[in-house]
Amino acid sequence: DQQVKQNSPSLSVQEGRISILNCDYTNSMFDYFLWYKKYPAEGPTFLISISSIKDKNEDGRFTVFLNKSAKHLSLHIVPSQPGDSAVYFCAASGIWDDKIIFGKGTRLHILP
Amino acid sequence: DAGVIQSPRHEVTEMGQEVTLRCKPISGHDYLFWYRQTMMRGLELLIYFNNNVPIDDSGMPEDRFSAKMPNASFSTLKIQPSEPRDSAVYFCASRGGPGELFFGEGSRLTVL
Repeated sequence: DQQVKQNSPSLSVQEGRISILNCDYTNSMFDYFLWYKKYPAEGPTFLISISSIKDKNEDGRFTVFLNKSAKHLSLHIVPSQPGDSAVYFCAASGIWDDKIIFGKGTRLHILP
Repeated sequence: DAGVIQSPRHEVTEMGQEVTLRCKPISGHDYLFWYRQTMMRGLELLIYFNNNVPIDDSGMPEDRFSAKMPNASFSTLKIQPSEPRDSAVYFCASRGGPGELFFGEGSRLTVL
């Protein structure tokens, strides 16, 4: 059973518009959440994170929102650029151990 | 500064053969993780080490899989005997403490 769920396998967004990637988790003990970006033939690279004590974290064009009551987080990319086309993984870890659990990923296509 | 280094990048082998994947973590990082990426399951955690000691191997699919970390700068993931369903991209990642993982470029395994 997946503890971190990304229910949209793919998403297409026009260049310049906002991209919103969603992630749900089932374990209320998770307290730290991360987003990774992956290009083909490369390893995932860290993008942005958020602690459970916050509900928003922003870094340039990237903002992550956390809704603990709904066990939901989202990544907003504004404005979307062609280089943002990649697979995005949501990940979570808990205070009880050091494991980082990943979702299945969402492939983002930025259309010209 | 070198990142996480994995070898081989690509491995094609026949069913029943032994496969050994190698990883050199970032110097000074005391956590090392092995993940497997497939279309169906996304990024799956197989095992992780802290200070060269295996902490959680509950993600290792079967006894055919084994992992070792004989010292702080080297880890191996071995599959013996290999099967076609083991075909995937295997990633190694390291971490210096709480926070993000740094991934290698992955080893793409094809078992015929």
